[in-house]
Amino acid sequence: SQQGEEDPQALSIQEGENATMNCSYKTSINNLQWYRQNSGRGLVHLILIRSNEREKHSGRLRVTLDTSKKSSSLLITASRAADTASYFCATEGSFGNEKLTFGTGTRLTIIP
Amino acid sequence: DAMVIQNPRYQVTQFGKPVTLSCSQTLNHNVMYWYQQKSSQAPKLLFHYYDKDFNNEADTPDNFQSRRPNTSFCFLDIRSPGLGDAAMYLCATSLTAGETQYFGPGTQLLVL
Repeated sequence: SQQGEEDPQALSIQEGENATMNCSYKTSINNLQWYRQNSGRGLVHLILIRSNEREKHSGRLRVTLDTSKKSSSLLITASRAADTASYFCATEGSFGNEKLTFGTGTRLTIIP
Repeated sequence: DAMVIQNPRYQVTQFGKPVTLSCSQTLNHNVMYWYQQKSSQAPKLLFHYYDKDFNNEADTPDNFQSRRPNTSFCFLDIRSPGLGDAAMYLCATSLTAGETQYFGPGTQLLVL
C-alpha cells in the first residue's frame, strides 16, 4: 500500500483563499517532500522537510511536520489560479533506501 | 539550463511491439529513476540506478527493462507492451539517495 495518503483527494477554493492539504504516512522517515504536478506534466519539487524539523516556509508555501502523528500539512496562502494542480507528498524512509514513496495526491482547483 | 529531458513526449506503439523511452540529464546526478503514472494516480516507481547499480522494484513486471549506459542517459524498454501499459512514464534524477528529485516532462505512451 502507499506510504502516504493525502487528504482531501480534491479541493476547490476561490482565488485569494488559503488552501491546506494533509499527508499521513506509516513508518519512520528521514524526510518528507512536497511536489506539484500540472496536468500532463512532470512533477516539480516544492519543499523538503527533514524529520528533525517542524516547519518550513518558501514564499507562499508553509509546510509542517509532526513525526509523533506521522503527518504533514502543506499550506498555500493567497491562492492564485496558477496554483491549480495536483500536489503529492513523498517520504524517504529512515532506512535510507534511495527511493521516495509518493502519496495519493490532492487535486487543487482555484476558482478565479 | 541544467535539466532532465525525455524523448519523445508522446509515443504511440502497437500491442506487443517493443518500445524504448529515453531520458537524459545535464545535472550530473548519481541517481536516476523511472516511474509509471496512470491517470489520477500517484507515480509508481519501476526501478532506479545509483550510478551503475540497478535496483528493481519487486512488483515491476519483467516486461520492463532499463539501461543506463553512462551518467547522462537512461532508457526504459518495454519488450511487449500491453494495453495496461498505457501511461505517463516519468524520469527523475537526484544527486544522492532520498533527496530532492528533478523530474522530466514525461512521455505519454499510448498502446493500440
